[in-house]
Amino acid sequence: AQSVAQPEDQVNVAEGNPLTVKCTYSVSGNPYLFWYVQYPNRGLQFLLKYITGDNLVKGSYGFEAEFNKSQTSFHLKKPSALVSDSALYFCAVREPTGANNLFFGTGTRLTVIP
Amino acid sequence: NAGVMQNPRHLVRRRGQEARLRCSPMKGHSHVYWYRQLPEEGLKFMVYLQKENIIDESGMPKERFSAEFPKEGPSILRIQQVVRGDSAAYFCASSPDAATSVLTFGAGSRLTVL
Repeated sequence: AQSVAQPEDQVNVAEGNPLTVKCTYSVSGNPYLFWYVQYPNRGLQFLLKYITGDNLVKGSYGFEAEFNKSQTSFHLKKPSALVSDSALYFCAVREPTGANNLFFGTGTRLTVIP
Repeated sequence: NAGVMQNPRHLVRRRGQEARLRCSPMKGHSHVYWYRQLPEEGLKFMVYLQKENIIDESGMPKERFSAEFPKEGPSILRIQQVVRGDSAAYFCASSPDAATSVLTFGAGSRLTVL
């Protein structure tokens, strides 16, 4: 069975500081990993994904994530946070074979303080 | 390209009534996924459909819930005899095929059961 854990419900960071949103996963085989962002009253927007290759993945809006197989983690990072980054962030996983549906974590609310 | 279109955006039903939520996938997409988001929770997978076929319904409640994706027209998520616990945001996503791992999400339909 596949699962995703986002240990922090809330992350607060000052504008201009680096941010990290944590994610760990459990899946059989090599995982497909994703980050999505949700703004109020909106659907989820894709940020980035890891399928294979370089462990450091760069995505939209300056975000990046690092795949760490030994720690089964896929933390989302950004070197300098913006107030407009404040939103709900979801990590998701799927197995490389089988159905294409994603399994999501419970989400982390990021607040960037001006 | 209008993206994934969901309607209605907001739906209010009394207990015992039926709710029908519609999803038109992106142009060229033949795979549809339904997710439910309860307040302050992450997205829970419900069902994955391809045109005229249910691929995976492992997340669907056993009673009162059904989904279809006919050859013509939108995908429909149907909830019969709604209860207050059905109040949630229901998101639809689509992809062009089973191999494309990135899902495109709609803005969601928010169901409120009085």
